Amino acid sequence: GIQVEQSPPDLILQEGANSTLRCNFSDSVNNLQWFHQNPWGQLINLFYIPSGTKQNGRLSATTVATERYSLLYISSSQTTDSGVYFCAVTENDMRFGAGTRLTVKP
Amino acid sequence: DTGVSQDPRHKITKRGQNVTFRCDPISEHNRLYWYRQTLGQGPEFLTYFQNEAQLEKSRLLSDRFSAERPKGSFSTLEIQRTEQGDSAMYLCASSLQRDTEAFFGQGTRLTVV
Repeated sequence: GIQVEQSPPDLILQEGANSTLRCNFSDSVNNLQWFHQNPWGQLINLFYIPSGTKQNGRLSATTVATERYSLLYISSSQTTDSGVYFCAVTENDMRFGAGTRLTVKP
Repeated sequence: DTGVSQDPRHKITKRGQNVTFRCDPISEHNRLYWYRQTLGQGPEFLTYFQNEAQLEKSRLLSDRFSAERPKGSFSTLEIQRTEQGDSAMYLCASSLQRDTEAFFGQGTRLTVV
């Protein structure tokens, strides 16, 4: 099956810093999503982005499907951005990476 | 529409007992996925349905696990003879079709004692 790798596994930032999270995948996919998992365990949709670039406030994402990677950018990070970020790709079923745990310190 | 709904939110059971979880997808969503997540790990794929048809089942899913979606609407996930290793968060997601955005429920946290 398709392999999904996320980097870095852990990231610690000061409030106000910018960050880039990466998702690599091993084969062609039909779609790609980024999620943020809240402290109660629910996965919150950030972006549905099979290709191209999207922006939502301080967050933006870019997927280059031909090169099999996606990037999630967080600008001017806030403590509320802390948590685990997952990318998930769909070929036939939907598969997740191991996540990036982001800690934003005040 | 209130999104994907999972019931119960929490379940504590004794080893050896059977448990059943329910997932109600977003109305008219044809695809329904089940995942298991343990602490510090990403969600692991268990199985998925296209309408009432179960199209794929992970090798992680032992014979003690079974899932159904009898009318193409809600789904159930049953674990027979639970073991301590089954303790995890069980997540359900739905999407309109394969190539559309998926949405998750709040999960069912299972603790086997």
